[in-house]
Amino acid sequence: QVQLVQSGAEMKRPGASVKVSCKASGYIFTDYAMHWVRQAPGQGLEWMGWINGGNGNTKYSQNFQDRVSITRDTSARTLFLELSSLRYEDTTVYYCVREYNKYFDYWGRGTLVTVSS
Amino acid sequence: QSALTQPASVSGSPGQSITISCTGTSSDVGSYNLVSWYQQYPGKAPKLIIYEVNKRPSGVSNSFSASKSGNTASLTISGLQPEDEADYYCCAYVGTNTWVFGGGTKLTVL
Repeated sequence: QVQLVQSGAEMKRPGASVKVSCKASGYIFTDYAMHWVRQAPGQGLEWMGWINGGNGNTKYSQNFQDRVSITRDTSARTLFLELSSLRYEDTTVYYCVREYNKYFDYWGRGTLVTVSS
Repeated sequence: QSALTQPASVSGSPGQSITISCTGTSSDVGSYNLVSWYQQYPGKAPKLIIYEVNKRPSGVSNSFSASKSGNTASLTISGLQPEDEADYYCCAYVGTNTWVFGGGTKLTVL
């Protein structure tokens, strides 16, 4: 069965960077694009970016263009999200998500990143 | 890309039907038949309930149906059950490998 297992909660200072991971299993990792979606406490979902399953090309939301990087390690079947220059408003839950034909069929359980001084 | 517009909340009594709208523009909802809907319980990850405007994944109740007209997509839940109480989000593919979500709708079953 498809599983997306995300790394544990993180606490960071403003201005720092955070790297969240997501290990995939149960399917051919490179056959599917992956995304990161975040959700602030009590707020809605926000799409952050995408990485192509085959060639690793990426596309980011303009809201994060200069601060976000999505990478992967295909041998480890692991997806990464790195967000830099953290702000208090980056305190959210980050979800890794598998895409199938332009919709999101499997979601990780989420990783809480807290930005606090 | 602005978030799609959903009502903040809707409510209904058990057995009733409710509809949640998701309004975008001709550049997003109106451009592609690639609208999906997600159900989310508090503290849980979202779950896909509708894809490609009106298709249900295997295992999703047929009480969920959806449609699209112009720049507005709609999710209808028929025969409301207490377990339908959750947050619902629409999502649209807007081209060039970019997606946008709606702001979410909290459904209360009275």
